[in-house]
Amino acid sequence: DVKVTQSSRYLVKRTGEKVFLECVQDMDHENMFWYRQDPGLGLRLIYFSYDVKMKEKGDIPEGYSVSREKKERFSLILESASTNQTSMYLCASSPPGQGAGGANVLTFGAGSRLTVL
Amino acid sequence: DAKTTQPTSMDCAEGRAANLPCNHSTISGNEYVYWYRQIHSQGPQYIIHGLKNNETNEMASLIITEDRKSSTLILPHATLRDTAVYYCIVRVRNAGNMLTFGGGTRLMVKP
Repeated sequence: DVKVTQSSRYLVKRTGEKVFLECVQDMDHENMFWYRQDPGLGLRLIYFSYDVKMKEKGDIPEGYSVSREKKERFSLILESASTNQTSMYLCASSPPGQGAGGANVLTFGAGSRLTVL
Repeated sequence: DAKTTQPTSMDCAEGRAANLPCNHSTISGNEYVYWYRQIHSQGPQYIIHGLKNNETNEMASLIITEDRKSSTLILPHATLRDTAVYYCIVRVRNAGNMLTFGGGTRLMVKP
């Protein structure tokens, strides 16, 4: 019954490494999101995408990039990981604006906990 | 977006109703109230949303006051698995790009 799958639950990387976090959804959703969650700071939006090959910056895009080559897949890329990117990363998807749910009904993945040493 | 205020934490006895309040006194006419919860070490889970009428689904009920300045999420028969952080979010319906999660209420269901 898993609908949003994040490729890794736990990762440990070294400073300067390139890191890929993969997210796949099977609900044919147009919208996909990447958040990070840190104690005391809540969830903060990094990037989102409304369509294939389309991306928009969220609140904290610095140090990150994204890729959406296929509708079901949204990847978060850390070009050169730093210790301040140690965090829980959450991917989510939602349907388009029309429809009963509305674009604010997000389905989240289980999260990827990244540690950068 | 309208700001929301929730208690930091609440306790509830297992089997009893859990009533989680949320104040959103600056809500505008086209903003909906959404509730999510996050169980430890999992991603947030959508629960319910509403505009002005009370709503009920298989998970919970949402009661919105007539002036829409506050709402209450009701879990009718709380179980230990309902222990989680509950987030109340106010947002225009089709603006999912910047959904903002605040601090939420940490609900502890006790045996």
